Amino acid sequence: EAGVVQSPRYKIIEKKQPVAFWCNPISGHNTLYWYLQNLGQGPELLIRYENEEAVDDSQLPKDRFSAERLKGVDSTLKIQPAELGDSAVYLCASSFGGLNTGELFFGEGSRLTVL
Amino acid sequence: KNEVEQSPQNLTAQEGEFITINCSYSVGISALHWLQQHPGGGIVSLFMLSSGKKKHGRLIATINIQEKHSSLHITASHPRDSAVYICAVSGNQFYFGTGTSLTVIP
Repeated sequence: EAGVVQSPRYKIIEKKQPVAFWCNPISGHNTLYWYLQNLGQGPELLIRYENEEAVDDSQLPKDRFSAERLKGVDSTLKIQPAELGDSAVYLCASSFGGLNTGELFFGEGSRLTVL
Repeated sequence: KNEVEQSPQNLTAQEGEFITINCSYSVGISALHWLQQHPGGGIVSLFMLSSGKKKHGRLIATINIQEKHSSLHITASHPRDSAVYICAVSGNQFYFGTGTSLTVIP
């Protein structure tokens, strides 16, 4: 069975440019998470979906970040415009069941470098 | 304020040594997760536990709910165990520790 798939693995852009990351969770996993991870730090939640509904986006900087999961399966995270401080690894994770029941499965991450 | 604290932050061991990584948390939880992250790699779930003890190969995870504390033990450590080990708890949301960077020297 395929794991959580993310693309691209690496992205280098200049500041003020847009960037988008894609995530395909494990089949059947209704909960999808986008995390940001800086070097030497633990993951920080950006947004959590239950099916197609964003149930926790309180930490998403909505002035420049947006996300969607239109059909409750794959998801896209967009940054527009990117800033230098957005350089980080963007991790997607999925689980079956709600917040308190599911083991987390992570993708390989998308490493963003903003120049 | 960190809801999840790990110790030590960094750990270097000789191959074959017994290793313990500790995790303390301050929030109510339904489960605790131990995760492994290799350099440049994704995060892999090692254990999810809510009570007692779990064992998988050379890895053992324990949790004491009353003391809000968990330990991850690695027996007969090997260089391939070198990675960052992250403790996370799930309650009303996931909280992650900052990780313990383990280096096992041959």
